Amino acid sequence: TQLLEQSPQFLSIQEGENLTVYCNSSSVFSSLQWYRQEPGEGPVLLVTVVTGGEVKKLKRLTFQFGDARKDSSLHITAAQPGDTGLYLCAGGTDSWGKFQFGAGTQVVVTP
Amino acid sequence: KAGVTQTPRYLIKTRGQQVTLSCSPISGHRSVSWYQQTPGQGLQFLFEYFSETQRNKGNFPGRFSGRQFSNSRSEMNVSTLELGDSALYLCASSGGLAGFPGSYEQYFGPGTRLTVT
Repeated sequence: TQLLEQSPQFLSIQEGENLTVYCNSSSVFSSLQWYRQEPGEGPVLLVTVVTGGEVKKLKRLTFQFGDARKDSSLHITAAQPGDTGLYLCAGGTDSWGKFQFGAGTQVVVTP
Repeated sequence: KAGVTQTPRYLIKTRGQQVTLSCSPISGHRSVSWYQQTPGQGLQFLFEYFSETQRNKGNFPGRFSGRQFSNSRSEMNVSTLELGDSALYLCASSGGLAGFPGSYEQYFGPGTRLTVT
């Protein structure tokens, strides 16, 4: 089983601060996706990265896929209360529909 | 375009009973995946259907089963419910056709919260 470890498990910061969430594995993934999930809702896809070393930016969010396709990071600049949520990384495998999810990082941004 | 819908949103069942959950994917999407989410285990893959065929299955007991209809709607069934089956059950839809399996994008529904007492 390919395992994905996310760190930290919990992050509480003030509005305006920066934060980084990490997703690591000893296995190689064909892709890496990041989701944000809010209470009572399903995860919402933020980004998909497929190439080792790839960097994608989505407004204040920057996503990076490691060169060896074993790790990824999500960086949020100038966090806002609307960024609060559970951030999940998911590794794509060679099996249809089967993504390996990390346990998630709970981010809380207070005004 | 309407999103993924799941019914019911909440369900309370007793041990030993069975339950059926429903998922309607985004119009035009042919792939539906099911996941179980619990605080202790996170999201775990149950199975995936594409054009009425199960293409992949996770490591869950045979009490968990599913099917997909010709209109791409999917159901999952859990028989002989156990307390440990209490979880948020999520379905995700995608076009199902991509360069390789791990690259296509999944869109999740809001989930069905199942409580087993």
